[in-house]
Amino acid sequence: DGGITQSPKYLFRKEGQNVTLSCEQNLNHDAMYWYRQDPGQGLRLIYYSQIVNDFQKGDIAEGYSVSREKKESFPLTVTSAQKNPTAFYLCASSIGQVGPRDTIYFGEGSWLTVV
Amino acid sequence: AQSVSQHNHHVILSEAASLELGCNYSYGGTVNLFWYVQYPGQHLQLLLKYFSGDPLVKGIKGFEAEFIKSKFSFNLRKPSVQWSDTAEYFCAVNAPYNTDKLIFGTGTRLQVFP
Repeated sequence: DGGITQSPKYLFRKEGQNVTLSCEQNLNHDAMYWYRQDPGQGLRLIYYSQIVNDFQKGDIAEGYSVSREKKESFPLTVTSAQKNPTAFYLCASSIGQVGPRDTIYFGEGSWLTVV
Repeated sequence: AQSVSQHNHHVILSEAASLELGCNYSYGGTVNLFWYVQYPGQHLQLLLKYFSGDPLVKGIKGFEAEFIKSKFSFNLRKPSVQWSDTAEYFCAVNAPYNTDKLIFGTGTRLQVFP
């Protein structure tokens, strides 16, 4: 089936450790996104990538890093510099720029808890 | 920069009641507007979207939204809700000639009781 796969679904991390969340899509989409969802704050954009080997910071990029070496993959690393990393992380993708013929599709998310 | 406001954080309704969820955005240029829904335990799904044309947009499951440019609003409506509509609803805006980003509101949690 075509779609966006995020793994792991649940992850626990000790303070001071980096952790990488995986996002893979087989939709042949050029654009990929990472959002963070917190109660009462909705979805906030962390990073996005419109094409392989290129990405831009979103609204809350501090403490996060990404790479886009392959079209289908957009992993997110939550570094120890991220002050409040416990959250629900959503990966998404779209064919290209959001427009009349395109929309954003979301994965099922990854829960990260820092203990 | 564009932003989205959803003033209703938590709405509780009985089945068959009418629903209207508010969404206002702050951007003076051309916008694309979306409503997404997140049912309990499921991923975000597109409910409906507006790009151009008729400002009254119909989506899945009997939902509709009206784009009122003068009010910078894109309110979501449903004449008669069902228990299965219990979910969190997110409004989102994209300014295609400004940025490729899709900016979300804070969400509205809807609970429908039988």
